[in-house]
Amino acid sequence: AQKVTQAQTEISVVEKEDVTLDCVYETRDTTYYLFWYKQPPSGELVFLIRRNSFDEQNEISGRYSWNFQKSTSSFNFTITASQVVDSAVYFCALTLNYGGSQGNLIFGKGTKLSVKP
Amino acid sequence: ETGVTQTPRHLVMGMTNKKSLKCEQHLGHNAMYWYKQSAKKPLELMFVYSLEERVENNSVPSRFSPECPNSSHLFLHLHTLQPEDSALYLCASSHGRHGNSPLHFGNGTRLTVT
Repeated sequence: AQKVTQAQTEISVVEKEDVTLDCVYETRDTTYYLFWYKQPPSGELVFLIRRNSFDEQNEISGRYSWNFQKSTSSFNFTITASQVVDSAVYFCALTLNYGGSQGNLIFGKGTKLSVKP
Repeated sequence: ETGVTQTPRHLVMGMTNKKSLKCEQHLGHNAMYWYKQSAKKPLELMFVYSLEERVENNSVPSRFSPECPNSSHLFLHLHTLQPEDSALYLCASSHGRHGNSPLHFGNGTRLTVT
């Protein structure tokens, strides 16, 4: 069975600090996709990134970067020079490379990030 | 208007009421979803519609009744709810049901059952 663990329930940082959100996943499939979503106080989940299991190259998008390591089954998310607007709940999710119900997203419980001015 | 729109944003209803949640997507997607988000619980998938047919019902009580009249609209009809049904209900859409299709979510409806 598939599982996503976000061990950090809440993180609080001061603006301009760097912060890393951890995500550990479990699956026996060799082909899968990993996602990060952001849920600001307004409620909607905003898609941030998708990674397939064959692409371990780290990705950087502005202040956001993702570190995918298959050896440790981790897909960590780092925000550099955090800002108050980064305050949100962040979800890591996993899905298999199938259609139908096997392709359903499996979410972690989320990490609530608070960035204080 | 773009993206996924949900109405109402907030809803308070008694246990004997009947109400409906509405979701509309303007992304040209052909799959739509209802998720329930309760405090301190992972997001729970409730229903999936693909090409307007319900393809998944994750053991949701019958007091929740979905309807998908076309690929752009999704409803969740509510009746005789319980206080434990209070939650944020999120609608999402995607291009197809394949695992690699990102979901696009609406703002959700915050439901309180009194």
